[in-house]
Amino acid sequence: DSGVTQTPKHLITATGQRVTLRCSPRSGDLSVYWYQQSLDQGLQFLIQYYNGEERAKGNILERFSAQQFPDLHSELNLSSLELGDSALYFCASSVYPQGRTGELFFGEGSRLTVL
Amino acid sequence: DQQVKQNSPSLSVQEGRISILNCDYTNSMFDYFLWYKKYPAEGPTFLISISSIKDKNEDGRFTVFLNKSAKHLSLHIVPSQPGDSAVYFCAAPIGSSNTGKLIFGQGTTLQVKP
Repeated sequence: DSGVTQTPKHLITATGQRVTLRCSPRSGDLSVYWYQQSLDQGLQFLIQYYNGEERAKGNILERFSAQQFPDLHSELNLSSLELGDSALYFCASSVYPQGRTGELFFGEGSRLTVL
Repeated sequence: DQQVKQNSPSLSVQEGRISILNCDYTNSMFDYFLWYKKYPAEGPTFLISISSIKDKNEDGRFTVFLNKSAKHLSLHIVPSQPGDSAVYFCAAPIGSSNTGKLIFGQGTTLQVKP
């Protein structure tokens, strides 16, 4: 158990819909990261938040947005969903910047299926 | 542009033998590398890392080798155990090494047969 909690574990929805994925980081971790893993792909970095502020952005679509709340949990919002958005979405946390370089603690992921 | 590549999607080895997982990178600015292991229905977990100032790092049965001139790293597992069966990802931090913004390879699925 990494200490990172993601909900829901599975989600099935239709094209054009909007969903919210939730992540609770490890206790004490200030940094939250979102990654997407599509079929046969490695993990793709989407976005990072540190203590409520956006710190880094990857290849995140404009239809996607995220935020980190004062209690440090984070939400990833996916809107106008397309079939290609079907993927595993992982949240990870770290103590950043004091943590071991690059070591992240991942949740179990939220599997999104868009029909 | 795939800056970190794992060209072998899968690898099968016998229990007790050595498993060698390979990873190539194209960005010579990368100065730190990590290996993560992932079991089905779980998130990736950190396994071992190496800084570019070293060419080898060992942790128990796991050793990572770095060849900077070839832009190649490999993970050796000796001896391999059935519990090592998982997907292995190599990764490198983008930008500053003190960041969790990682670029991952596509992963190699290791099967260790009893």
